Amino acid sequence: AQSVTQPDIHITVSEGASLELRCNYSYGATPYLFWYVQSPGQGLQLLLKYFSGDTLVQGIKGFEAEFKRSQSSFNLRKPSVHWSDAAEYFCAVGTIMIYNQGEKLIFGQGTELSVKP
Amino acid sequence: DGGITQSPKYLFRKEGQNVTLSCEQNLNHDAMYWYRQDPGQGLRLIYYSQIVNDFQKGDIAEGYSVSREKKESFPLTVTSAQKNPTAFYLCASSLPGREQYFGPGTRLTVT
Repeated sequence: AQSVTQPDIHITVSEGASLELRCNYSYGATPYLFWYVQSPGQGLQLLLKYFSGDTLVQGIKGFEAEFKRSQSSFNLRKPSVHWSDAAEYFCAVGTIMIYNQGEKLIFGQGTELSVKP
Repeated sequence: DGGITQSPKYLFRKEGQNVTLSCEQNLNHDAMYWYRQDPGQGLRLIYYSQIVNDFQKGDIAEGYSVSREKKESFPLTVTSAQKNPTAFYLCASSLPGREQYFGPGTRLTVT
């Protein structure tokens, strides 16, 4: 069965430090992969996505992620964290539904990021 | 501006009452989805609809019902049969085979 694991429930980093959030997935075919960010009480905002092609993908807000098939990973990175990056981050894998319409997303449990001044 | 709206933002109900959560999108997306979010459990799919007048159960459909009479609208009813209805509910939509976009969510509290 498809699954997504985010091993870190909570991470704290200092402002200006680099960040890496881990994501491992289990999926039988080439996955569609996503990272979303959620501020408290808000909906999810798409940070970046991987469908095919270049395994290093750039997203919004200075984030990037690298798809590593051999490790079944899609880790999110940012070289310098800002206080406004404090939020919850979700990794998701997309599975094609029948009729190739829409995606069923399977989410990890999320990683809460705190930023120290 | 195109987007997804969910109303209301907060909803309070007494146990035993059905309640309907609204989701509207003006993105011209074919597919729409309902997720439930509980602390520490990520998001779980309740129902999804790929085209008008058609919808399928997701992973946790028991105690919920939906309709898709218009492309723009996908309301979710939380029935009295749902044993733990208090949660944050998120609606999403997408084009075929593309990423999902989410609404701002509705927090439902049942006492």
